[in-house]
Amino acid sequence: EAGVAQSPRYKIIEKRQSVAFWCNPISGHATLYWYQQILGQGPKLLIQFQNNGVVDDSQLPKDRFSAERLKGVDSTLKIQPAKLEDSAVYLCASSLVGPGWQFFGPGTRLTVL
Amino acid sequence: EDQVTQSPEALRLQEGESSSLNCSYTVSGLRGLFWYRQDPGKGPEFLFTLYSAGEEKEKERLKATLTKKESFLHITAPKPEDSATYLCAVQAPSDGNTGKLIFGQGTTLQVKP
Repeated sequence: EAGVAQSPRYKIIEKRQSVAFWCNPISGHATLYWYQQILGQGPKLLIQFQNNGVVDDSQLPKDRFSAERLKGVDSTLKIQPAKLEDSAVYLCASSLVGPGWQFFGPGTRLTVL
Repeated sequence: EDQVTQSPEALRLQEGESSSLNCSYTVSGLRGLFWYRQDPGKGPEFLFTLYSAGEEKEKERLKATLTKKESFLHITAPKPEDSATYLCAVQAPSDGNTGKLIFGQGTTLQVKP
């Protein structure tokens, strides 16, 4: 079974630039999550989708972050404009039954200079 | 406020030296507690789910236990391949079937041969 795919794996940008991350969840998984993991910390949920709809985006900085999940499959997370404090690993996860049984992708390491 | 605290932040063991990792939590109405393993450059990998106080789960050299306020991950006779960051997460209640995970900061375990 293929796992959660993410791209790119690494991205370096300058502050105020824009960046986008892509995630392809495990086939058939209705729930998709985006997390931000700052070095030395645990993952923090940014947004949760159930099929096409947003379930929880309470911790998403909506002035600069946006996410969409078209057709209930792939998802993109965008940051515009980026700040230095956005440097982190952005993890995508998907689940079939409940938020606990989440399968994570390898993440995208973002460095903002 | 729902919170998860893990201790110690880092742990160094000799091969074969058993020890325990702690996860303390404060959440109203725990729906589940989850342990994940994260290797460098990879996403977290699911290990265990615990739902009620007194519950125990085992997998190879790992054993997870749960009380009303904390969980322990016991590592018996660890091997160098057990070196990783271990993350604890709790599932918070929500209005529906979804419930976001709140992660601790992790314990980084290093096992020396």
